[in-house]
Amino acid sequence: GAVVSQHPSWVICKSGTSVKIECRSLDFQATTMFWYRQFPKQSLMLMATSNEGSKATYEQGVEKDKFLINHASLTLSTLTVTSAHPEDSSFYICSARVLTPGQGIVEQFFGPGTRLTVL
Amino acid sequence: GDSVTQMEGPVTLSEEAFLTINCTYTATGYPSLFWYVQYPGEGLQLLLKATKADDKGSNKGFEATYRKETTSFHLEKGSVQVSDSAVYFCALSDGGGATNKLIFGTGTLLAVQP
Repeated sequence: GAVVSQHPSWVICKSGTSVKIECRSLDFQATTMFWYRQFPKQSLMLMATSNEGSKATYEQGVEKDKFLINHASLTLSTLTVTSAHPEDSSFYICSARVLTPGQGIVEQFFGPGTRLTVL
Repeated sequence: GDSVTQMEGPVTLSEEAFLTINCTYTATGYPSLFWYVQYPGEGLQLLLKATKADDKGSNKGFEATYRKETTSFHLEKGSVQVSDSAVYFCALSDGGGATNKLIFGTGTLLAVQP
């Protein structure tokens, strides 16, 4: 299957600083990537849909000025958590969408996640 | 809107026991259905999928059948192993939608004891 990587795998930062998380599709091109947030023992919550070359589409309740998403190429999307605070501590997961031509089958391949801890 | 409901865990089983994790969905269209597995400390991996009614997805001994009449996609395995311990997520995707977002259930933690 397609491989998606994330970097870093974990990061600890001080309150008020910004953190950038990278999501890469290693062996395929992804016009669409998704960013999720996962709280302990809970499901994944979609934060935003990232489309290459255009602005991200944010889900209701997600602050676009706080969670900056850039999808500058077909293999890279970045999520920047600006002015991070302890409540932003979470597990952030990206995925890349693959559409099977002619079948309408949509699959998403997930990165391993990034654990963010804000002190 | 579309939604997925799956049984709450944790589910604790002995090795070689039979596993069922229930999943039901609500959707206005004809979604594709998925089961994802998340092992400790890792990201989600696709376990199996089904794209239309009566399809059966299977992988690694796990099975799930797309039941339109009961709007269900229950996950089953005949004999679980310790290595199956993980969190299992049921999800749907509106294949015809413009964004093809995945909607997840809350996840079910499976713990298999030797």
